Amino acid sequence: GENVEQHPSTLSVQEGDSAVIKCTYSDSASNYFPWYKQELGKRPQLIIDIRSNVGEKKDQRIAVTLNKTAKHFSLHITETQPEDSAVYFCAASMGNEKLTFGTGTRLTIIP
Amino acid sequence: DVKVTQSSRYLVKRTGEKVFLECVQDMDHENMFWYRQDPGLGLRLIYFSYDVKMKEKGDIPEGYSVSREKKERFSLILESASTNQTSMYLCASSTRTKGSEQYFGPGTRLTVT
Repeated sequence: GENVEQHPSTLSVQEGDSAVIKCTYSDSASNYFPWYKQELGKRPQLIIDIRSNVGEKKDQRIAVTLNKTAKHFSLHITETQPEDSAVYFCAASMGNEKLTFGTGTRLTIIP
Repeated sequence: DVKVTQSSRYLVKRTGEKVFLECVQDMDHENMFWYRQDPGLGLRLIYFSYDVKMKEKGDIPEGYSVSREKKERFSLILESASTNQTSMYLCASSTRTKGSEQYFGPGTRLTVT
């Protein structure tokens, strides 16, 4: 089955700086890659996703890039703000509705 | 607005007890999922269902079973709870469209003593 690795497990950045979280996947058949954000004590929520026919997608301060050849994708958050502090999960899907999640990255924004 | 609810936020059970966790969604979603969340291990899929009375094993089904008698309700059953099943359990639902967003419930923190 699919295996998704996520790094780093924890990340601290100064407010206003950028944060990058990286994931790799094992199955070249995967074609859908969402990112979920889980704030403390709350449920995970989708923040951005990318499909395998696209190399990059942006939504305001967040962007995701995909390298199909290397089988890795990354989340980029620019101009970080305190409300960006959360656990972020990447995931991969092989075209069905089932997701395989990474182990999560705890992002802390230092004021 | 999609709403996914779970029967309990916190639950404490004894080893060997049969435990039922219930999940209800109100958006007529075909797919429903049960995950467990443990520190450092992320979200791991236990079981999922594509339709009423349908179920498929996820990555860690051992020690669990599920029931989906109605479209809006998906139950997770621990036949004989063990201490290693102490965890946060999250339910989710989605439409049948490939690559559709999964909407999560608030989670149930289960402690087995």
